[in-house]
Amino acid sequence: SQQGEEDPQALSIQEGENATMNCSYKTSINNLQWYRQNSGRGLVHLILIRSNEREKHSGRLRVTLDTSKKSSSLLITASRAADTASYFCASGLPGGTSYGKLTFGQGTILTVHP
Amino acid sequence: NAGVTQTPKFQVLKTGQSMTLQCAQDMNHEYMSWYRQDPGMGLRLIHYSVGAGITDQGEVPNGYNVSRSTTEDFPLRLLSAAPSQTSVYFCASSYRDTTYEQYFGPGTRLTVT
Repeated sequence: SQQGEEDPQALSIQEGENATMNCSYKTSINNLQWYRQNSGRGLVHLILIRSNEREKHSGRLRVTLDTSKKSSSLLITASRAADTASYFCASGLPGGTSYGKLTFGQGTILTVHP
Repeated sequence: NAGVTQTPKFQVLKTGQSMTLQCAQDMNHEYMSWYRQDPGMGLRLIHYSVGAGITDQGEVPNGYNVSRSTTEDFPLRLLSAAPSQTSVYFCASSYRDTTYEQYFGPGTRLTVT
């Protein structure tokens, strides 16, 4: 079964607005990563946050991690039409051979209207 | 650097046929993996490798074989294709394991009739 669940499944906003996507996971993790996928393309890494971190920024992206609630959120500020894509969270399990397994959520489809 | 490359981009197979999806990376990454993506779903891990000669199963390994004879290449073999294997297949690599960012290839769209 999928480790990560994302919410909402789809999000439609106007350019300039902020977009927030949430990810929940079930077991302990080593890190949580966010990826973007444009239609028909491969995934592109956005940001990685480790289990001992609470917040991380990269340009217009802000990611938070709450390990007590087993959840993460991705905030895109001042969104642009070019941000239209699917966004996936992926959780990495802790320790040993589990470092080989990354589990993806089902994704959030973000549409930014010009 | 070309990054992660996958061939072919598209493939149509008949039930029972076998084929190999190719994946190569030129970043000297130790870790490589294969995922499948079905409509409306996230990616599911098929197999992964943490170095040449070392492979292990992911979440959905049945019907697929892998081997890793070199650091650069990680082919995925479909032994006897089934309609349930119709999907988009992505290969990914990273420096060492899943504690590092993953670099994805462009994908192979496979249809099994």
